[in-house]
Amino acid sequence: DQQVKQNSPSLSVQEGRISILNCDYTNSMFDYFLWYKKYPAEGPTFLISISSIKDKNEDGRFTVFLNKSAKHLSLHIVPSQPGDSAVYFCAASGGTSYGKLTFGQGTILTVHP
Amino acid sequence: IAGITQAPTSQILAAGRRMTLRCTQDMRHNAMYWYRQDLGLGLRLIHYSNTAGTTGKGEVPDGYSVSRANTDDFPLTLASAVPSQTSVYFCASSSDRRGTQYFGPGTRLLVL
Repeated sequence: DQQVKQNSPSLSVQEGRISILNCDYTNSMFDYFLWYKKYPAEGPTFLISISSIKDKNEDGRFTVFLNKSAKHLSLHIVPSQPGDSAVYFCAASGGTSYGKLTFGQGTILTVHP
Repeated sequence: IAGITQAPTSQILAAGRRMTLRCTQDMRHNAMYWYRQDLGLGLRLIHYSNTAGTTGKGEVPDGYSVSRANTDDFPLTLASAVPSQTSVYFCASSSDRRGTQYFGPGTRLLVL
């Protein structure tokens, strides 16, 4: 049972445009959500996080939105750059999974020059 | 050393052999984790340790064991490797159970 799902395996965007990556979760006990970015042959690197007490968190070009009623979060990248091309994972923790991250399957983002 | 190091970088292993993947962090983080990454499945937690001397099972612990003798090291052992353990293994650490996890570069393991 996949508790965190990223239903889009890949996304292709033009440089300068907005990239929107989506993530859905089923466990209502999750209260902390993170996005990680991963380049080939490297470990995932932390990008941005959000607590369930907020519905938006912004860091430079990256903004994460959380819709608790829909159990949905999204990562917006504006403007997208070719260096943003990577695999993006969303992750969640909370409840009995406190401190232990449950990851989505990942979305491959390609930003074309 | 800066952050998390993992060894070896990659390994080809015969089925039935024993193998230990090494993980060392220099951030004095209390919590450490082992994940495996498989295509289409994301990262799945194998084992974790909230502090030195304690360990716990994650989502996919079967066939793996861990120990946490000190703060810095968290080795993962495959007692008798099987082909289904072919994967990329990532070690991670965080300052506390709530904190952001920081990942090592990974170990690519092929079991034949």
